[in-house]
Formats: sequence, structure tokens, C-alpha cells
Amino acid sequence: SYELTQPPSVSVSPGQTARITCSGDALPKKYSYWYQQKSGQAPVLLIFEDTKRPSGIPERFSASSSGTMATLTISGAQVEDEADYYCYSTDSNILHRVFGGGTRLTVL
Amino acid sequence: QVQLQESGPGLVKPSETLSLTCIVSRHSISGPYYWGWIRQPPGKGLEWIGSIYHTGNTYYSPSLRSRLTISVDTSNNEFSLKLSSVTAADTAIYFCARDSSDGTDYYPDYWGQGTLVTVSS
Repeated sequence: SYELTQPPSVSVSPGQTARITCSGDALPKKYSYWYQQKSGQAPVLLIFEDTKRPSGIPERFSASSSGTMATLTISGAQVEDEADYYCYSTDSNILHRVFGGGTRLTVL
Repeated sequence: QVQLQESGPGLVKPSETLSLTCIVSRHSISGPYYWGWIRQPPGKGLEWIGSIYHTGNTYYSPSLRSRLTISVDTSNNEFSLKLSSVTAADTAIYFCARDSSDGTDYYPDYWGQGTLVTVSS
């Protein structure tokens, strides 16, 4: 089955840049998406189609995708950005829609 | 904007069928979107379960397909999940979501708040 691989945790100090990676064999041909999930809440769409931000998402959230790796960047991370972050994509078979294992971002 | 609300029993016995409904408001379920289910075991990551179009076309996770039925009720603007022969491993928060298209694939863009279903005798 298809898998997306993320680091379990990332830690930065407030104001620093946080980068969270997501690797998957089909990413060269498929879009990546990013979700933020704060404790006890439903996930929120942060990035769609590799690089696009939905309305209302702060500009400090950006993303890129190159080859088999997608990267979420949080520029000037804030304490309120502490959350779990999940990438999402599909493989060449639309039946295989998967989330990465998630990355816990700590800002302290 | 679209709102989704899950409803159903919070406790299901092992070997029985888990049934949930997602009520969609402020948006017609008959629009150009799929409607899906995602779950999250306590303290773990997200798992895509499956999605349905208003015509009844479905996509299911290969790992759950043999136990899974997703249906849609356009007259009541809702869709439902049935997962049979449940075990403790099916204990999770179940989210419903709207799936938007990027032209070839679909991704959840709006989510319900989620409902915890515990499988226990």
C-alpha cells in the first residue's frame, strides 16, 4: 500500500522557521496537501495543490514540492502554531488516498 | 460556508456494525463534490476511509472495503457510513468531510467536528 513519510516531531523556537517534510513515491505526479490539527479539534486545510493557501490561512504558511518530497514551511513560527501537521496525497491509483503519519510541531 | 455534523452511537459492541450519519448544511450534497469519512484512533494519525458522490459512486480504502458501506441520501442532504464486524481497532474519532477536486484527485477541504466511537462490550 502507498505511504507518505513524515518526521514524528519538529521543534523550533518562536520566530524561527519550521520545515516539515513529506516523502512519497507518487509525489512527482500527484499534488500534496497539508492539514493542521490542534489538540481536540478537527484538521484544517492549510495548503492545497502543492503550494496554494486557502483564504484565511496566514502567509507565514507556505509549501513546495519537488520530486518525491513535499515541504511545509512555517516562517516565523508562533506558539499558536503548535499542532500536529499531516500531509495528504494519492498514488497513481485513485483508490489509494493516504495521510502521512503526522508531525508534531513544538514551538518553545 | 458548508457545515458538516456527524451523528451516531458513541459505543458499539465488538462484532456489531458501526453506523454514522453526516448531516450537511448550507450546501447541497448534489453539487460537484465527493463526501467522505476519515478516522483517527485515540492518540494516532488520520486514516482515510472512503468517499461517495451524490450519484452513489464510491471509493473505499482497500483495507476496509470488505466491511464498509457508504451511502448517500440526497433528499435529506446527508451521507452515512456502515462498518461491519467491528473490533477494538475500530475505536476512533470519525470525521466526515467534503472532498474537493484538483482536476484529477480529491481532497478533504471542510471537516465536521468528529465523533468518538468506542468499540467495547
